[in-house]
Amino acid sequence: TQLLEQSPQFLSIQEGENLTVYCNSSSVFSSLQWYRQEPGEGPVLLVTVVTGGEVKKLKRLTFQFGDARKDSSLHITAAQPGDTGLYLCAATTPTNAGKSTFGDGTTLTVKP
Amino acid sequence: DTGVSQDPRHKITKRGQNVTFRCDPISEHNRLYWYRQTLGQGPEFLTYFQNEAQLEKSRLLSDRFSAERPKGSFSTLEIQRTEQGDSAMYLCASSQEWREIDEQYFGPGTRLTVT
Repeated sequence: TQLLEQSPQFLSIQEGENLTVYCNSSSVFSSLQWYRQEPGEGPVLLVTVVTGGEVKKLKRLTFQFGDARKDSSLHITAAQPGDTGLYLCAATTPTNAGKSTFGDGTTLTVKP
Repeated sequence: DTGVSQDPRHKITKRGQNVTFRCDPISEHNRLYWYRQTLGQGPEFLTYFQNEAQLEKSRLLSDRFSAERPKGSFSTLEIQRTEQGDSAMYLCASSQEWREIDEQYFGPGTRLTVT
């Protein structure tokens, strides 16, 4: 059973559109990270959220942590081709000794 | 600090050969992780170290895989008697875990192709 479910699995949009991707679980998270990975490279950390209801912004990216700390979303405004990549969420729970578990990611393609 | 480095970036080997990969973590990080990733999937946990102690090893990891982290610094991952199914990207990450916040910093990965 996958601890973290990410949706959608694939997303293809035109430049300028907005999008939201999701990371869900039945477990309560201690903390959650979002990463972006480009082909042939390692994931790059984007943000960490810790507090239920927390919202963080990184330029055109908005990250939200659910009130119950069981889910998170990533919203991108006016997507650009440079946003193309695999978006991964990873979370720690009180039962896994602070070690992160990764979802399978959302593959985003932004067409010019 | 230049971040996490991995060597080599690419490795092509014949089935049955042994291979060894190296990871140099961010110097002040106490945790080091190894993952395997195949196309379209998230990183699959293999093992991790806290300082020099190997704290957890995935049940998916066969006896052909072994990892070391002598002196709690760099780490090596060895695969013995490689099989075609071992072809994947092998990622290393390091972190300084604090209060259940585990921000991992990844290296560029080693792409293994077993022919």
